Amino acid sequence: LAKTTQPISMDSYEGQEVNITCSHNNIATNDYITWYQQFPSQGPRFIIQGYKTKVTNEVASLFIPADRKSSTLSLPRVSLSDTAVYYCLVGEESNYQLIWGAGTKLIIKP
Amino acid sequence: DAGVTQSPTHLIKTRGQQVTLRCSPKSGHDTVSWYQQALGQGPQFIFQYYEEEERQRGNFPDRFSGHQFPNYSSELNVNALLLGDSALYLCASSSDGTDNSPLHFGNGTRLTVT
Repeated sequence: LAKTTQPISMDSYEGQEVNITCSHNNIATNDYITWYQQFPSQGPRFIIQGYKTKVTNEVASLFIPADRKSSTLSLPRVSLSDTAVYYCLVGEESNYQLIWGAGTKLIIKP
Repeated sequence: DAGVTQSPTHLIKTRGQQVTLRCSPKSGHDTVSWYQQALGQGPQFIFQYYEEEERQRGNFPDRFSGHQFPNYSSELNVNALLLGDSALYLCASSSDGTDNSPLHFGNGTRLTVT
């Protein structure tokens, strides 16, 4: 099971673009990269998932370099409501027990 | 379309007691996973149920057991509660057979053991 490394915390301001990088040096060929967002006293919420290159949806973009040893979650023009913990997970379909780290606590300031 | 629902939302128990937590998966999902999340930490995988059987298990003692019903809902049982069992218990559902199907989480049950 591939482990991930993320910054413990980050600060930014409303309207800025925020990039959170995750390292996963031992990623396996069949592993996907998935990001979740969690607000206090709520369950994590799926944000985005990718395998390689770039993936974009209505809330975020995920950039994955060719070697796939890292990935970057990009949140465009953040608002105060984006203050949350963001988790990066790496695993394949058969790895049900994905390893969750402590995540990155993102604080958005006015 | 209801998402994952968990009950109760909060629970206070005494050491040594037993507790049952309940989860209804998102409509169309057949797989349920349970997680324990201590304050300030990421979720830790307890086990996963599919077709009414435990399919995978994390590093949790036998005091933690579960069940899945024919309608895919699930229960988590914890016996002989310890103070260290105080945590947010999360249920997540997914659709088996869908490649890398993301997990859909409920808002959890906050268990406090005194």
